[in-house]
Amino acid sequence: AQSVTQPDIHITVSEGASLELRCNYSYGATPYLFWYVQSPGQGLQLLLKYFSGDTLVQGIKGFEAEFKRSQSSFNLRKPSVHWSDAAEYFCAVWLSNTGKLIFGQGTTLQVKP
Amino acid sequence: EAGVAQSPRYKIIEKRQSVAFWCNPISGHATLYWYQQILGQGPKLLIQFQNNGVVDDSQLPKDRFSAERLKGVDSTLKIQPAKLEDSAVYLCASSLISGSGNEQFFGPGTRLTVL
Repeated sequence: AQSVTQPDIHITVSEGASLELRCNYSYGATPYLFWYVQSPGQGLQLLLKYFSGDTLVQGIKGFEAEFKRSQSSFNLRKPSVHWSDAAEYFCAVWLSNTGKLIFGQGTTLQVKP
Repeated sequence: EAGVAQSPRYKIIEKRQSVAFWCNPISGHATLYWYQQILGQGPKLLIQFQNNGVVDDSQLPKDRFSAERLKGVDSTLKIQPAKLEDSAVYLCASSLISGSGNEQFFGPGTRLTVL
């Protein structure tokens, strides 16, 4: 079955440290992949997306993600985390056969001062 | 450009009562989505509209949930009667068109608590 897995439910990093949030997907065809961020009381904001082409994609707020087909992964990275990055992060895959956007369960990021 | 608007932001009701949520999408967006986000989970699609027609409502519990998008603009999601397990955030999203992974823009959500 098509699915998205975010193995880390909760991650804590120190401000200024690097960050990597993991995302694995299960989908037979070429996926359209997204990362969204959700701050408390807010809706989801798109950070970046991958449709095709260069497997390293740049997003807003200094985030980037790398698509690795061999590993069925689309990990999100940031070289230096800011306190304002504390939020919940969702990986999602758009399924062309159903037209649905399937979300992972999310990773909560806590930033220590 | 105004974003997706939702109201109310918070609602507390008792089980078996009814409740309605309202969504106004971004102007010009033909596709509108309602998602349910239970605490600790990612959003799950309930229903998708293309203009004023339903594209997908396969995950909508039709015995208690209903939704409409009259005139192809704003939309209302209703729950009647509510159950405890309906406690969640209800997110509305819109996109220019459906298909090809077109970006969805999300509203702030309505947090529903059923007591």
